[in-house]
Amino acid sequence: DIVMTQTPLSSPVTLGQPASISCRSSQSLVHSDGNTYLSWLHQRPGQPPRPLIYKISNRFSGVPDRFSGSGAGTDFTLKISRVEAEDVGVYYCTQATQFPRTFGQGTKLEIK
Amino acid sequence: QVQLVQSGAEVKKPGASVKVSCKASGYTFTSYGISWVRQAPGQGLEWMGWISAYNGNTDYAQKLQGRVTMTTDTSTTTVYMELRSLISDDTAVYYCARDLGSFDYWGQGTLVTVSS
Repeated sequence: DIVMTQTPLSSPVTLGQPASISCRSSQSLVHSDGNTYLSWLHQRPGQPPRPLIYKISNRFSGVPDRFSGSGAGTDFTLKISRVEAEDVGVYYCTQATQFPRTFGQGTKLEIK
Repeated sequence: QVQLVQSGAEVKKPGASVKVSCKASGYTFTSYGISWVRQAPGQGLEWMGWISAYNGNTDYAQKLQGRVTMTTDTSTTTVYMELRSLISDDTAVYYCARDLGSFDYWGQGTLVTVSS
């Protein structure tokens, strides 16, 4: 199984400041079709996860452009350029390059 | 618009079975697979398995092999997840999610409580 490791597990940030979350996979996420199926989710308490980013860097419809994804191979990053109050919650990276699908442990973003 | 609507909360006794449904609408049902993901109280996301709505092929998490079955009904565009021999550790919110290389739409979640 591919193990997904996120850092940090908790991130206190100031409103308006940037935030960054790292995700590392135990093996390359490049699929045989050439795509890298690494995506990011955001979950608020009591809500289902909300998809943010797919295939490393593509924002889903409706996702603000302050969210960006980058990386390649086994190392990936989610960045928020200026944190807003609605961004609090837990962020998960996940891979769909192979079965079983796996998730990172989650990073809790909170406001200082 | 794409929607995944799940069945309601369940309370089960240890050893029982539960069957959760996920009704899909707003897209071509057979063009996508569905994954089931669960989340125990205060914990992270755990992938349970995947089913192709095209041909019914499945892939299950190893730890659930033998206890979980996923099926589809193309006539009603509904996906089902049955979990048997329930234990207290199966208490969780269960989600279905459309899966084609990313989880792009999610159901609202179904709370399953296992308690004697």
